[in-house]
Amino acid sequence: TQLLEQSPQFLSIQEGENLTVYCNSSSVFSSLQWYRQEPGEGPVLLVTVVTGGEVKKLKRLTFQFGDARKDSSLHITAAQPGDTGLYLCAGLSSGTYKYIFGTGTRLKVLA
Amino acid sequence: DVKVTQSSRYLVKRTGEKVFLECVQDMDHENMFWYRQDPGLGLRLIYFSYDVKMKEKGDIPEGYSVSREKKERFSLILESASTNQTSMYLCASSESGNQPQHFGDGTRLSIL
Repeated sequence: TQLLEQSPQFLSIQEGENLTVYCNSSSVFSSLQWYRQEPGEGPVLLVTVVTGGEVKKLKRLTFQFGDARKDSSLHITAAQPGDTGLYLCAGLSSGTYKYIFGTGTRLKVLA
Repeated sequence: DVKVTQSSRYLVKRTGEKVFLECVQDMDHENMFWYRQDPGLGLRLIYFSYDVKMKEKGDIPEGYSVSREKKERFSLILESASTNQTSMYLCASSESGNQPQHFGDGTRLSIL
């Protein structure tokens, strides 16, 4: 069974701090997505990474796909209260329609 | 923007009832998915469909069935609801096999 482990599970930080969330697996993925989910809503896609070693930036968010395409990280610079939410990674294996989701990182940014 | 609409945000049913959860997408996407989301367990795939009338079991299909009679609509059916099916249910669609998924806002289902 493929697993995607996210760490940390919970993170509470002050506004202005930096943080990194990790998504790790022993399996290789053809692509990996990051989502953010707010209470009472569905996950919203932030980014897709497909190439080993790829780095993508979305304002203060930096996403990296591992060279071997087994892991990924999300780094947030100068976190703001609006970044609060549940962050989910999801990996897609080659030749399949099935996404494997991590268990999520619940981030709270305090003003 | 892709719009995935789930028919109910909140639903309360009784054990033994047959429950229908409806999902509609407006972007002519090939693939549609049903997940349930539970604290500490993340999103678990119940069923998915890659074409009209085509369906495949996900990781936890027991107690559920699905229907996809039209491309835009994917229904999840709880044949005889049980209390352990109380959960947040999320529908998603994607353009093709390797494209990211777009989610609806979810249905929070309580079985009493």
